[in-house]
Amino acid sequence: EDQVTQSPEALRLQEGESSSLNCSYTVSGLRGLFWYRQDPGKGPEFLFTLYSAGEEKEKERLKATLTKKESFLHITAPKPEDSATYLCAVMDSNYQLIWGAGTKLIIKP
Amino acid sequence: EAQVTQNPRYLITVTGKKLTVTCSQNMNHEYMSWYRQDPGLGLRQIYYSMNVEVTDKGDVPEGYKVSRKEKRNFPLILESPSPNQTSLYFCASSLDTDTEAFFGQGTRLTVV
Repeated sequence: EDQVTQSPEALRLQEGESSSLNCSYTVSGLRGLFWYRQDPGKGPEFLFTLYSAGEEKEKERLKATLTKKESFLHITAPKPEDSATYLCAVMDSNYQLIWGAGTKLIIKP
Repeated sequence: EAQVTQNPRYLITVTGKKLTVTCSQNMNHEYMSWYRQDPGLGLRQIYYSMNVEVTDKGDVPEGYKVSRKEKRNFPLILESPSPNQTSLYFCASSLDTDTEAFFGQGTRLTVV
């Protein structure tokens, strides 16, 4: 059965303290792995798509990487405005999108 | 401005009273879908549509209906809402099935 697990559930960091969020998955035929950011009371906002193991993408303080079993979202020197819930989703060979429960990231000034 | 618009944003209703949540996108996207989001469960797909007049069940379709008569609109219909349908609902659209999705602001539905 296709499954996506995100860890940790919540992460508190000091401003400037770098860390990583994990998204591990089991899926039949990966078509793509997506990262989204969700602010309270709003819909998810697209960040990255990764299609194959070894691929990396960057955007400002965020960098996403992909292996055959997991993806990491690295956040470098975070700022309070990076506080949000980060969602990972995996698309399988049948174009079904399976979502993780998210990691709530809190950056304290 | 490219956007997905849902209405209403908040809705409190009683068990059994039919309701419709509207969704409209202005990006000429082929693919639209509905999700519900519950604490600790992540987003779960209710229905999706790959094009006009083409709709398919997602993971949790029971108790819901959709229609896609026009490309831009994809309403979600609850014929007889029940308390277990209390949730936060999101509409999303994308150019294709495996491209980035744009989400609406969400509809918080409470069924009492």
